[in-house]
Amino acid sequence: DGGITQSPKYLFRKEGQNVTLSCEQNLNHDAMYWYRQDPGQGLRLIYYSQIVNDFQKGDIAEGYSVSREKKESFPLTVTSAQKNPTAFYLCASSIGASGPSTDTQYFGPGTRLTVL
Amino acid sequence: AQSVTQPDIHITVSEGASLELRCNYSYGATPYLFWYVQSPGQGLQLLLKYFSGDTLVQGIKGFEAEFKRSQSSFNLRKPSVHWSDAAEYFCAFYTGGGNKLTFGTGTQLKVEL
Repeated sequence: DGGITQSPKYLFRKEGQNVTLSCEQNLNHDAMYWYRQDPGQGLRLIYYSQIVNDFQKGDIAEGYSVSREKKESFPLTVTSAQKNPTAFYLCASSIGASGPSTDTQYFGPGTRLTVL
Repeated sequence: AQSVTQPDIHITVSEGASLELRCNYSYGATPYLFWYVQSPGQGLQLLLKYFSGDTLVQGIKGFEAEFKRSQSSFNLRKPSVHWSDAAEYFCAFYTGGGNKLTFGTGTQLKVEL
């Protein structure tokens, strides 16, 4: 089945540690995205990548880093510089370069990160 | 500034009753509009989308939405709600360029049996 996989579903880390969240898709999509979700704030874009080896900052990139070495993978690292990392993190992908009329974003199941 | 507003944080309806969730956007032209649904602890599932053409859009699970340019609205409707529709609903739009979606803050739907 085609889809987006995020692992793990729950993640606990001590304050000051970096942590990497995994996102894999087998939809053959060019574009991938990371969002952060906090109660009452909707989803906010952290980083996005429209093609392999390229990515751009979203609205709240500070304290996060990403890489896009493979088309199917877009891992997100939450660094110790992120002041309030506890949140629900969602990865998404879309076809990409074909333009907005077909560029619908599809979401993974999410990872809930808790920093103790 | 470009934004999307969902005025209702929580809505409670009885099973079998009709439902309307409000969404208003602020943008100088017609954006691309979406409705997503999220069950607790899960990712987002696309319900429907509007790009152009017929302003009444049909989606999955019996949902529909109507785009009204004069009101800058894209309200989601369902004629008869089922208990399994209890979830959080997000309206979103983007204006092209970078494929950035802007989300509303969501409406939490509770269904009373």
